[in-house]
Amino acid sequence: GAVVSQHPSRVICKSGTSVKIECRSLDFQATTMFWYRQFPKQSLMLMATSNEGSKATYEQGVEKDKFLINHASLTLSTLTVTSAHPEDSSFYICSARRRDSGGSPLHFGNGTRLTVT
Amino acid sequence: AQKVTQAQTEISVVEKEDVTLDCVYETRDTTYYLFWYKQPPSGELVFLIRRNSFDEQNEISGRYSWNFQKSTSSFNFTITASQVVDSAVYFCALSEETGGSYIPTFGRGTSLIVHP
Repeated sequence: GAVVSQHPSRVICKSGTSVKIECRSLDFQATTMFWYRQFPKQSLMLMATSNEGSKATYEQGVEKDKFLINHASLTLSTLTVTSAHPEDSSFYICSARRRDSGGSPLHFGNGTRLTVT
Repeated sequence: AQKVTQAQTEISVVEKEDVTLDCVYETRDTTYYLFWYKQPPSGELVFLIRRNSFDEQNEISGRYSWNFQKSTSSFNFTITASQVVDSAVYFCALSEETGGSYIPTFGRGTSLIVHP
């Protein structure tokens, strides 16, 4: 069964509003979670690394104020798309590892398809 | 330059054909990890296999097999007797140490379409 739960799976919002996406690790604690964005027929683009109890590490070109990440507990990370615009429409995916080591595979959420009208 | 190259954007085969998905990676680290993930039409990525840089032993799991060759920096994935359910996008990923932590890098993915 799924070990990472992501919610909602699909959301449609109006331009200018904010959307929060939740990512939960179900049966393990994750000090680190990763947030990806995927455009149609393209690869996963790492947006940021969410660190429990500290600030997220954003990849170059990703606006921190636009994509707010909060990792308040060892099982929950949230991504808030603030003042969403149509260009923010995309597939957002979170992932986590059971162990914080390079050899530990990523477990992915089901993804959230965001459509901004 | 891309660290993980999946040159095949899309492959189309007929059921029961064998198909190999190529993955070439680039790293200067001696310790690194390679992965394959499957993303079916539903969207959720599923972990398939991991290899560390010190283990070049090839692996077979049912109809799936993987060929890891450090000499050519490749980690290819073969599906034998493909089935329609194998239709998905397959991603190869490299995990190497960056600033004290391992951040995975994904290739662009290969879309496999298996026709009945």
